[in-house]
Amino acid sequence: ETGVTQSPTHLIKTRGQQVTLRCSSQSGHNTVSWYQQALGQGPQFIFQYYREEENGRGNFPPRFSGLQFPNYSSELNVNALELDDSALYLCASRSRGRAGADEQFFGPGTRLTVL
Amino acid sequence: GQQLNQSPQSMFIQEGEDVSMNCTSSSIFNTWLWYKQDPGEGPVLLIALYKAGELTSNGRLTAQFGITRKDSFLNISASIPSDVGIYFCAGQPSYAGNNRKLIWGLGTSLAVNP
Repeated sequence: ETGVTQSPTHLIKTRGQQVTLRCSSQSGHNTVSWYQQALGQGPQFIFQYYREEENGRGNFPPRFSGLQFPNYSSELNVNALELDDSALYLCASRSRGRAGADEQFFGPGTRLTVL
Repeated sequence: GQQLNQSPQSMFIQEGEDVSMNCTSSSIFNTWLWYKQDPGEGPVLLIALYKAGELTSNGRLTAQFGITRKDSFLNISASIPSDVGIYFCAGQPSYAGNNRKLIWGLGTSLAVNP
């Protein structure tokens, strides 16, 4: 069974730039969620994708957007980067509609630094 | 957004001691999950709880889903140095419906003195 993978592991950008983060879900999982985790904080829910559509969104502005592909992999795009966007971005997958559907499995994260 | 009340915020214990941490909510939850996160890594699922009163073990870890469905605790017995990390509770509130968004605690930071 292949776990959740994310790329890149680290990224440095400057204010105003755009960034795309990628996630491959665990095999057999059809739902992907993205989280932002600031240093010393718990993960904050950004949004969730199921069947290539956004299916739930947290309190994040529209410059945070995403995609899910037919193979259930996903992208997180952030436009007009701000300093406060510096964080660990986590992707989590789960298998909606099956037993244990709430159990989310996380990737190692992408550390984004905005200068 | 909503967060769970997780306590204690941090713990510093001696190797071999038992540890207990808990999470509470003002809302009823359908699911409680406990995760451990090491620095720079993603959270790793330790235990998942689905029924009120459920008591589940995973090695030296034991977690329970509170009877009121508004709380959960995690116990670690006979702690060892590799237990060091941040432990998060997360829950699926009953009001979330198909959204199934997890609500997270702020974490309990555990340090173990060998």
